[in-house]
Amino acid sequence: QSVLTQPPSVSAAPGQKVTISCSGSSSNIGKNFVSWYQQLPGTAPKLLIYENNKRPSGIPDRFSGSKSGTSATLGITGLQTGDEADYYCGAWDTSLSSGLFGGGTKLTVL
Amino acid sequence: EVQLVESGGGLVQPGRSLRLSCTTSGFSFGDYTMSWVRQAPGKGLEWVGFIRSNAYGGTTEYAASVKGSFTISRDDSTSIAYLQMNSLKTEDTAVYYCTRRSGSYGSVYFDYWGQGTLVTVSS
Repeated sequence: QSVLTQPPSVSAAPGQKVTISCSGSSSNIGKNFVSWYQQLPGTAPKLLIYENNKRPSGIPDRFSGSKSGTSATLGITGLQTGDEADYYCGAWDTSLSSGLFGGGTKLTVL
Repeated sequence: EVQLVESGGGLVQPGRSLRLSCTTSGFSFGDYTMSWVRQAPGKGLEWVGFIRSNAYGGTTEYAASVKGSFTISRDDSTSIAYLQMNSLKTEDTAVYYCTRRSGSYGSVYFDYWGQGTLVTVSS
C-alpha cells in the first residue's frame, strides 16, 4: 500500500482528455512539490512534470500538472496510442524523510 | 548529453552482498544529488535512497526498507555513484535505476534515469 494513492487504471479514447489523481497527506503533497513520471512498456521512467506543474524541455504541453492541498492531478489532452504507459506521482515526505512514489496508474488509450 | 549507465546486477543468493555502479557523463556530477530507485517485477517504483553532493556534506538518506542494509556512496573524481547492498533478501529482487535528483528544499524530482540493472536474489 503506497503512501501516495493513485487509481490503478484509467482509459479514454484517442483525442480525448484524461486525468490521473494522486492523493497524499500534509507531510508529503501538502508540504512539498509533486512530480510525475511516464514509464512506457519495457523502458525506464521519464520525468513528465516537476514542481507541480512545470514541464521539462521536450515534454509537449498536452501534459499538465496541478496541485491542491494534499492532492495532485496529471492531465493529458489529445490522447495518442503512444501515451499508453504507467504513470507515477512522486513527492518527498518530510515526516518520513523519504522519497515516495504513488502505486502507479496504467493508462489505456482505447 | 546526460547519460547514466548502471552495472553490477545479476543473480545473488540470499544473505550475500552486491555492489551496483552508476557511471555518468554529460553533466557536472559533483554538483548533484544522486539517487537509486527500484522496481520489483510487475510492481511500482520504490525510492531506495540518495547521496547529496559534497557541497551539502555528501550525506545520505534511505528508505526504511533498506536502512542499515544498503549504502550509497559516490566518487566525484570518476563521476560514479554506488549502491552497496548487504544481507540481500528475496524481496530485494528488482530492477535498480540510478537517477539524478534535481530540485531544492521541498522539491525532489528525478530528471534523468539510467536504463536499470536487474538484481535477482534467489537460492
